Amino acid sequence: GAGVSQSPRYKVAKRGQDVALRCDPISGHVSLFWYQQALGQGPEFLTYFQNEAQLDKSGLPSDRFFAERPEGSVSTLKIQRTQQEDSAVYLCASSSSSGTQQFFGPGTRLTVL
Amino acid sequence: GNSVTQMEGPVTLSEEAFLTINCTYTATGYPSLFWYVQYPGEGLQLLLKATKADDKGSNKGFEATYRKETTSFHLEKGSVQVSDSAVYFCALQGAQKLVFGQGTRLTINP
Repeated sequence: GAGVSQSPRYKVAKRGQDVALRCDPISGHVSLFWYQQALGQGPEFLTYFQNEAQLDKSGLPSDRFFAERPEGSVSTLKIQRTQQEDSAVYLCASSSSSGTQQFFGPGTRLTVL
Repeated sequence: GNSVTQMEGPVTLSEEAFLTINCTYTATGYPSLFWYVQYPGEGLQLLLKATKADDKGSNKGFEATYRKETTSFHLEKGSVQVSDSAVYFCALQGAQKLVFGQGTRLTINP
């Protein structure tokens, strides 16, 4: 497709379940970012990939959060043993190279009950 | 660390009114500055940007000037329309990642 796509768009999980969120960046974009947006707040950085290398994971809130991009294209954000405070919209963005405009996907809204 | 502070909302205006949404930042070095917009039911879209001091970004009638001396990047529009109703986010980019403000919800009444 022409833009960044994310799936699923909505996910409801019971507390303690594991979830996996997928991001398909714009074709050819080398940089990929994950952000977390809590209700009524601005997005907050989670992690950043350049191709398959995870160059910055300083924003991951705990070791329950894990992201990968094994072939330098599609990325998956995994959250283990979900907690209620993980409820948020998870945004993925991609850019053609470092420091250029980031294009955002529609987000995945995660609700943990 | 880097941070962005935005004018708190929500903001409600009548159509054709003048709009200002304040944004100030704290950063090391010389970040690029952005305004993003999130329309109801849609994803984040870049509205405008400025990459160095005194640059003015503009798009769709919106403008913002990168003011290094006051560390500000206020968003302005001379005459707002109902279709401008959305949430607006100020952001800076120091290295790779974006740092966002908390967002300002704007509602324009006809």
